[in-house]
Amino acid sequence: NAGVTQTPKFQVLKTGQSMTLQCAQDMNHNSMYWYRQDPGMGLRLIYYSASEGTTDKGEVPNGYNVSRLNKREFSLRLESAAPSQTSVYFCASRGYGLAGREGTDTQYFGPGTRLTVL
Amino acid sequence: KDQVFQPSTVASSEGAVVEIFCNHSVSNAYNFFWYLHFPGCAPRLLVKGSKPSQQGRYNMTYERFSSSLLILQVREADAAVYYCACTPGGGNKLTFGTGTQLKVEL
Repeated sequence: NAGVTQTPKFQVLKTGQSMTLQCAQDMNHNSMYWYRQDPGMGLRLIYYSASEGTTDKGEVPNGYNVSRLNKREFSLRLESAAPSQTSVYFCASRGYGLAGREGTDTQYFGPGTRLTVL
Repeated sequence: KDQVFQPSTVASSEGAVVEIFCNHSVSNAYNFFWYLHFPGCAPRLLVKGSKPSQQGRYNMTYERFSSSLLILQVREADAAVYYCACTPGGGNKLTFGTGTQLKVEL
C-alpha cells in the first residue's frame, strides 16, 4: 500500500498559468483534504471532501478549485496562479491506516508538492 | 475565530525531556492530535486523544483547552516541526497550530 501519493513533487509556474495537483489514496478512506503550508502559518485547509461526490471550502479556498474524481482521487486546480500561491501543498485522507485493518483513525498525509509561482 | 496556539520555537538539550505546549479556541473541540513533520516528508501522527496518552517516547497531557507534548530522552534526530491540532468529535476537520520548531542542542 502506497498510502497517500501526490504529483508532482515540485512545480514552477508563471503568474497566470494554470495547473492541477493530483492526489490519490489506496486506504479506502472516505474523506480527503488539501492543505497549504506557509512559514509561520502552519497547515491551513483549502478544501475538503467528506465523501465521494461532495466538496466543501476550508479556511483559504480563494483561487482554488477541487474535484473528487472518485473515492481514491482528489485534485486541486489553480486556474490562474498568483505569487501568493507559492507554498507547499499537502493532501491528506482520513480513516484507519492500511485500508482499515490497522493503525489509528486520523488524517494521513502525502509527501507534499512544492509550488513556486513567479 | 477557531485557532490553535503553540510556540514557534522550543530548544532542548540531548537526553533531556522537552515539553511543547498547545491551547485552542476551537468551538466544541476536545480531541488533540500531535503531528511530526520533517521538511520534504509527510507529516506523521505521533499521538492523539481526549485523555493523557503515551506512544513510545511521546507523552501527551490533556486538559479541555490545552495539551502538551512531552518528548523523552530528546535526540538530535528529533529536531523537526511539531504540529498541534484539535477537532470536535471524530476528527473530520482538524484545525492546526502554526507549528513548533524543536531545536536540539548537543
